[in-house]
Amino acid sequence: GENVEQHPSTLSVQEGDSAVIKCTYSDSASNYFPWYKQELGKRPQLIIDIRSNVGEKKDQRIAVTLNKTAKHFSLHITETQPEDSAVYFCAHNTGGFKTIFGAGTRLFVKA
Amino acid sequence: GAGVSQTPSNKVTEKGKYVELRCDPISGHTALYWYRQSLGQGPEFLIYFQGTGAADDSGLPNDRFFAVRPEGSVSTLKIQRTERGDSAVYLCASSLTLGGDRVAAFFGQGTRLTVV
Repeated sequence: GENVEQHPSTLSVQEGDSAVIKCTYSDSASNYFPWYKQELGKRPQLIIDIRSNVGEKKDQRIAVTLNKTAKHFSLHITETQPEDSAVYFCAHNTGGFKTIFGAGTRLFVKA
Repeated sequence: GAGVSQTPSNKVTEKGKYVELRCDPISGHTALYWYRQSLGQGPEFLIYFQGTGAADDSGLPNDRFFAVRPEGSVSTLKIQRTERGDSAVYLCASSLTLGGDRVAAFFGQGTRLTVV
């Protein structure tokens, strides 16, 4: 199907620790996987994306890994800071341009 | 413009009324998307435009919802006979399309629709 499952729904970490959010999809035609960060009352902001021909992508403290065989992808945030606190959404396209979002992970970074 | 612009930012309407929500995408972006986001949930796909045509409207919940993009730029989402369950934040996003590949979509700030 089209849906993407995202875990955990809530994640609390200590400042400086790493945070990992995982998503699983089922559409083998999916080839684009963006991650969005949404702060309270704000619009979703793209933080990183990956295509199916790449297994890993990194941008400073943020990295995304993709396992196409297992149909799962993950967001890794290292050296977390209080300003990383937000809701994070994984998403995937379904072979075209329709993008389906996960339910979100609320990340709390405790100072 | 510099970013995706949506108007109004807030809309309160009475049950049964008709509403129009406007989206002005980033200049040059050929792809435009409408999403609906309820509290505590992820954005829910409604419709996708490539140019002037609706390439995928499979997310529209019923025939009370309709969207247009007559000149391939600004889009209007139209909701007839609004119901309280339509209350949500309606998000618009736009992106380039490069050689048929999906590229990053950028969201507007949304229109918060409240049906009373």
